[in-house]
Amino acid sequence: SQQGEEDPQALSIQEGENATMNCSYKTSINNLQWYRQNSGRGLVHLILIRSNEREKHSGRLRVTLDTSKKSSSLLITASRAADTASYFCATVGAQKLVFGQGTRLTINP
Amino acid sequence: DAGVTQSPTHLIKTRGQQVTLRCSPKSGHDTVSWYQQALGQGPQFIFQYYEEEERQRGNFPDRFSGHQFPNYSSELNVNALLLGDSALYLCASSMYGIPNYGYTFGSGTRLTVV
Repeated sequence: SQQGEEDPQALSIQEGENATMNCSYKTSINNLQWYRQNSGRGLVHLILIRSNEREKHSGRLRVTLDTSKKSSSLLITASRAADTASYFCATVGAQKLVFGQGTRLTINP
Repeated sequence: DAGVTQSPTHLIKTRGQQVTLRCSPKSGHDTVSWYQQALGQGPQFIFQYYEEEERQRGNFPDRFSGHQFPNYSSELNVNALLLGDSALYLCASSMYGIPNYGYTFGSGTRLTVV
């Protein structure tokens, strides 16, 4: 079963704007990971945040984690057309990934 | 350094048939997990193999079975195919016992059951 909800399910913005996606989960975790998927192809690992971390940055990506609310957010700054993809959060517990349903992000030129 | 390799890329099968999908993990990884992704959904965990044994299993029927070989590569077998088995099947490799580590995914096998 899916871990939780991702919000929004779809997001369409103009190139250059920031995109924020949210993820909620249900169980205790070791870490939470974000993945990108282009056009139904394989998933690409973007960033991992540990359960004892609250914020993490990687290039134009910023991830936050609130374990008290069991939620995470992914911010993509200065979006580009190449960022168009589906984004999934996945929690890690007992050495397996449990995914949300994803956010479909469209960047309009 | 080769990543995760999956074969075949696409496959069309008839209801009731059997299918075998293959996965070679990233160099240095010893664990292979399989996921099923229906259209418009997130991937769902099928099972995980380490040291040639099934270590964990998701909520999938016994028609789904697997195997891991001594070189860490893995196969996913699905018997008595149903239309609902049509999906993208993803293989992910990792290192067992290291929780704070990103998984590496293959490009997937698109299975269509007609």
